[in-house]
Amino acid sequence: DGGITQSPKYLFRKEGQNVTLSCEQNLNHDAMYWYRQDPGQGLRLIYYSQIVNDFQKGDIAEGYSVSREKKESFPLTVTSAQKNPTAFYLCASSITGAGNGYTFGSGTRLTVV
Amino acid sequence: SQQGEEDPQALSIQEGENATMNCSYKTSINNLQWYRQNSGRGLVHLILIRSNEREKHSGRLRVTLDTSKKSSSLLITASRAADTASYFCATDGIQGAQKLVFGQGTRLTINP
Repeated sequence: DGGITQSPKYLFRKEGQNVTLSCEQNLNHDAMYWYRQDPGQGLRLIYYSQIVNDFQKGDIAEGYSVSREKKESFPLTVTSAQKNPTAFYLCASSITGAGNGYTFGSGTRLTVV
Repeated sequence: SQQGEEDPQALSIQEGENATMNCSYKTSINNLQWYRQNSGRGLVHLILIRSNEREKHSGRLRVTLDTSKKSSSLLITASRAADTASYFCATDGIQGAQKLVFGQGTRLTINP
């Protein structure tokens, strides 16, 4: 079955640590996205990529970094510069171009301990 | 930038009743999409309506779009307990790459 997989499901980070969230898709989608969701809130865009080796900042990119070395993979690193990283992180993918819905992963819940 | 605003923030109805959720947005769009999220899970795409469409149906879902008022509504008919979830509208703007901007969501509870 085609889909998008996020791992791990739960992640705990100590203060000052960098952590990397994995996102893999086998849908042959060109575009991939990372969103952050805080409790009771909507989704805010962190980074997006429309093609391999290219990515763009979203609305809240500070303290985060990404790479897009393979079409299937779009990992997100939450750096120590992100002062409030506790949140639910969602990865999505889509066919490039207007008029296409997103397919979402099941999310990673990151908690700072 | 939070484009969509949804109303109400929370809605509780009895099973079998219809549920209506509204979404307003600020800028011109290519299309508007509705998603569903069960607690602690990812979002699931429900329906997409293009800017030149006024109404669309999918099973028990009916979506309307009024571009002059920059608003959309999602109607779920004959609700079921399994429809309990959060529902989000998302807009795809006309400028630049496709990147959806999501509203805050409506939390829908269906009481058996």
